[in-house]
Amino acid sequence: EVQLVQSGAEVKKPGESLKISCKASGYTFTNYWIGWVRQMPGKGLEWMGLIYPGDSDTRYGPSFQGQVTFSADKTITTAYLQWSRLKASDTAMYYCARFSLVEGHSAGWVDSWGQGTLVTISS
Amino acid sequence: DIVMTQSPDSLAVSLGERATINCRSSQSIFYSSNNKNYLAWYQQKPGQPPKLLFYWASTRESGVPDRFSGSGSGTDFTLTISSLQAEDVAVYYCHQYYSTPRAFGQGTKVEIK
Repeated sequence: EVQLVQSGAEVKKPGESLKISCKASGYTFTNYWIGWVRQMPGKGLEWMGLIYPGDSDTRYGPSFQGQVTFSADKTITTAYLQWSRLKASDTAMYYCARFSLVEGHSAGWVDSWGQGTLVTISS
Repeated sequence: DIVMTQSPDSLAVSLGERATINCRSSQSIFYSSNNKNYLAWYQQKPGQPPKLLFYWASTRESGVPDRFSGSGSGTDFTLTISSLQAEDVAVYYCHQYYSTPRAFGQGTKVEIK
């Protein structure tokens, strides 16, 4: 069974750094794209981007390029989402997601979701 | 970038009645080489992560009740709930995986009238 277990809720101040995690199990971690989806309070889903742990190939959504960093540690089958300087507008629920494979290597639909990590940024 | 636009933003339907949600992409998400539409639908209930309902626009995920159906091609897609049940109250999202960024629609909230 595919499982994605995310790290717990965080409360941080503007300007601080943060790294949240997503522990994957139940499948070959290096063979699937894993990505992040933001949901701001009361709002819809936003595709942030994804990483292919097999070779660390990374794609960022235009709103998130330069704002966050994706990484993955194959040895512990864990993906990470990192900020260097948080802003109040980063307050949101963040979901990690495993993407199905289509046409061999391309990321398709989300076939498994983490439970979400709530990040609250407040001075 | 492909933009996904859903309509309506919300709808209220009586129990047992039909609910129809539309999703339009700003360019075609049909790939002629494999004859597939690169569209998925998800259901999100309050306090939960989304749940996959359909992929390839009309392929139902295992365990999804058959009162749900997905249809459409090219740029226009529809999610239909043929007979709304109380447990179907949720927000529904379409999602294109044809190109990067793989955008979601803004969501459609379904409530009971």
